[in-house]
Amino acid sequence: DVKVTQSSRYLVKRTGEKVFLECVQDMDHENMFWYRQDPGLGLRLIYFSYDVKMKEKGDIPEGYSVSREKKERFSLILESASTNQTSMYLCASTAYGTEAFFGQGTRLTVV
Amino acid sequence: GEDVEQSLFLSVREGDSSVINCTYTDSSSTYLYWYKQEPGAGLQLLTYIFSNMDMKQDQRLTVLLNKKDKHLSLRIADTQTGDSAIYFCAEFYGGATNKLIFGTGTLLAVQP
Repeated sequence: DVKVTQSSRYLVKRTGEKVFLECVQDMDHENMFWYRQDPGLGLRLIYFSYDVKMKEKGDIPEGYSVSREKKERFSLILESASTNQTSMYLCASTAYGTEAFFGQGTRLTVV
Repeated sequence: GEDVEQSLFLSVREGDSSVINCTYTDSSSTYLYWYKQEPGAGLQLLTYIFSNMDMKQDQRLTVLLNKKDKHLSLRIADTQTGDSAIYFCAEFYGGATNKLIFGTGTLLAVQP
């Protein structure tokens, strides 16, 4: 059974904290993505990676960074969490052009 | 840059056909997808179409692609209450970097 696993389902952090969201896939996919999902705004692409150590900015990269040191792991980092980063965060992975598999999501609340 | 747009809401009666529309700006997409998200659940791939195809049919689902107008649609025949969900279109751009962009999502409400 293919899997994309996000490290936390729910997370509550304080404003100004550094936050790490981890994503691991076991399908040997080259491509991994981080999105945030907000009502009425759909899934907005934060960062993506097409290979180890490669990263590309998506549509809303401000306030975020990423790390991909190993093929199976893609980490999203909130350098200094702010209340406007309260959201559902979704990680996905795919081979070239095939179905994207999603993690279960992390609902982050910044207080 | 790339942009994918959908209308936010569609309401239909049970048994009718639903048509969910999507427009995109970048013509270099290679694959286009429709995903379904039920309340409190993750995204589920419904169907996809290669950019060199015009139409794909899969049971109650029909996908139409008009490359000239950059328009993608999903038709659900005989819509059931279980089809109530948010539907996302998505595009995959291959090339030097592989990018997957989603639309804003359309909430389909099926009235009994």
